[in-house]
Amino acid sequence: DAKTTQPPSMDCAEGRAANLPCNHSTISGNEYVYWYRQIHSQGPQYIIHGLKNNETNEMASLIITEDRKSSTLILPHATLRDTAVYYCIVRVAPLTGTASKLTFGTGTRLQVTL
Amino acid sequence: KAGVTQTPRYLIKTRGQQVTLSCSPISGHRSVSWYQQTPGQGLQFLFEYFSETQRNKGNFPGRFSGRQFSNSRSEMNVSTLELGDSALYLCASSLAISGGQETQYFGPGTRLLVL
Repeated sequence: DAKTTQPPSMDCAEGRAANLPCNHSTISGNEYVYWYRQIHSQGPQYIIHGLKNNETNEMASLIITEDRKSSTLILPHATLRDTAVYYCIVRVAPLTGTASKLTFGTGTRLQVTL
Repeated sequence: KAGVTQTPRYLIKTRGQQVTLSCSPISGHRSVSWYQQTPGQGLQFLFEYFSETQRNKGNFPGRFSGRQFSNSRSEMNVSTLELGDSALYLCASSLAISGGQETQYFGPGTRLLVL
C-alpha cells in the first residue's frame, strides 16, 4: 500500500472549515483513499473514502486531486467534538473474502478551539 | 444496527498470565481484524479472520493468536503476557465482499494493562 504524509498537527476555530491535507504521491491506480479519525482512547471511526472522484457524506467531503497524488479532507463546520487524530490511509482493493489490513501512519492531530 | 462490541473494555493482568479478548462484529459482517495500539508503535495490524480462517497476519510473535467462530465472533489470546503487551486492542469488522470499497468499522477497544 502507498505511504501517506500528513502534517502532525493543525488548529481550527469552531464553526470554521477544517481542511486536512494528505500526500500520497506513490498511489497506484487501484488504491483507494480512506479517512478515519480517533478521538482520545476510542476506536477509530470511519469518515469517508474515494478512488478518484470527490466524495461527500454527512460527516465530511473528500477532495482528490486529478493526478491522485494528494487529497484533502474537509470538515465544513468544525466543532469541539471534532478534536481528534485524523488518519489518511491508502489501500488496494481487497480480494473477496478478505478485508485487507489498514496501515495507519501517525495522522494529524486536529485541535478545534473556541 | 449495533456496532462492533468488544469485551471486556478494561483488563489488568500480571506478567506471565494469559488473556482472552472477545469481539462481536456488526451483524452480517464476516471479516474480523485485530489491531494493537500503543503510544510508541501506533496502530499495528495483528491478524484477520474470515469464515473461521486466518487470512492475513501481522508481524507479532506466536504468543498472539486468534480464532473466529461460525457466527463470526472472534477472540484473540495473548499468552505469557509481557509488560510491553499493555495496549489498546481494537477489533474491526467488515463485509469482506468483492470490490474495492470495503470499509472496516472499529469497536471501542479493550485496554489491557500488564503489571
